[in-house]
Amino acid sequence: DTGVSQDPRHKITKRGQNVTFRCDPISEHNRLYWYRQTLGQGPEFLTYFQNEAQLEKSRLLSDRFSAERPKGSFSTLEIQRTEQGDSAMYLCASSFTGTGNMREYFGPGTRLTVT
Amino acid sequence: QQQVKQSPQSLIVQKGGISIINCAYENTAFDYFPWYQQFPGKGPALLIAIRPDVSEKKEGRFTISFNKSAKQFSLHIMDSQPGDSATYFCAAREGYGGATNKLIFGTGTLLAVQP
Repeated sequence: DTGVSQDPRHKITKRGQNVTFRCDPISEHNRLYWYRQTLGQGPEFLTYFQNEAQLEKSRLLSDRFSAERPKGSFSTLEIQRTEQGDSAMYLCASSFTGTGNMREYFGPGTRLTVT
Repeated sequence: QQQVKQSPQSLIVQKGGISIINCAYENTAFDYFPWYQQFPGKGPALLIAIRPDVSEKKEGRFTISFNKSAKQFSLHIMDSQPGDSATYFCAAREGYGGATNKLIFGTGTLLAVQP
């Protein structure tokens, strides 16, 4: 257990439905990242936050995706009008920039299946 | 565009043997190269990482060899054990200490250590 938690761990939804995932980072970590991992592939960067500010979004993040990190603590990732191609593991990671190490700690992921 | 190429895709090693996984990168702005281990249903966990100012780093049974001129780096697992059976990802990060610091992952190597 890295200290990064994600909820839910599994989500099955029908195409066209909206889903929301939550990530709770390690408490003192100021950076929070979202990655997506499809079967047999490495994680791909989606977006990241420095405290509450969303500073970069990947081109992979279509306008159906939105992420927030209110108050710089937990984060949510919402997917609207889900498509079968959204089926993947959604990983959250956090890090702390203050030490200069900036090691990322990954959560266990949320596995999304769109039927 | 795949910026980090990883091989082999899968690897079978006998217990006690040496497992070797290779990665190559293109972006010379990368300056941090970690290796992650991932078990089924879990998020990636950092194994070992190297900066380009050294050619080798060893931690226990795990060694990274780094060739800056060839833009290649590899993971060696000595005395491989069945518990090492997992998927291994190399990654690279641009601009340590600045900007996004997002990780670019390879495609993964599925390692099976036979008893």
